[in-house]
Amino acid sequence: EDKVVQSPLSLVVHEGDTVTLNCSYEVTNFRSLLWYKQEKKAPTFLFMLTSSGIEKKSGRLSSILDKKELFSILNITATQTGDSAIYLCAVRNTGGFKTIFGAGTRLFVKA
Amino acid sequence: GAGVSQSPSNKVTEKGKDVELRCDPISGHTALYWYRQSLGQGLEFLIYFQGNSAPDKSGLPSDRFSAERTGGSVSTLTIQRTQQEDSAVYLCASSLTLGTDTQYFGPGTRLTVL
Repeated sequence: EDKVVQSPLSLVVHEGDTVTLNCSYEVTNFRSLLWYKQEKKAPTFLFMLTSSGIEKKSGRLSSILDKKELFSILNITATQTGDSAIYLCAVRNTGGFKTIFGAGTRLFVKA
Repeated sequence: GAGVSQSPSNKVTEKGKDVELRCDPISGHTALYWYRQSLGQGLEFLIYFQGNSAPDKSGLPSDRFSAERTGGSVSTLTIQRTQQEDSAVYLCASSLTLGTDTQYFGPGTRLTVL
């Protein structure tokens, strides 16, 4: 059965800290891995990863994929209170078009 | 429109009633997806549309759930004879095509079944 597991489930840090969020997956015919940020209701797209070892970067956020070990990490440096959110990892396979989401990591950044 | 819109934003209903949830995708997006997010859980995939067609309905939790899409645009998710376990946020997303991996989400409908 295809699945996506995220860890930790929740995390509390102080402003300025660096955090690493983990996502491991098992999926047949992997196509892509996506990271989303969910602050209220609507998840917003962060990154899409399809190739191993190529880091995607956007400001203080970066992500990388390891297709051999079947995981991805999302790094956030110099965290700010506005980074507080649920971070969702999702995997898509070829053929079928289901997108399988993990349960998310709830990040809380204290001022 | 500028983004995906959903209505209503909140819906409270009594057990046994039918509800309809609506999704307006981004204009020009041919693919549309429905998800359910229960409290503290990740997103559970329900169904996707390519145009007006839904090739795979296996993600729908039960035969009380149905969805349709007309004119390649608006989609309606219908839940018949609602149960308390149906309480969740129902999220809709759209993408340019089915082959486009980036999905844009609407604000969701929070359904509460009393």
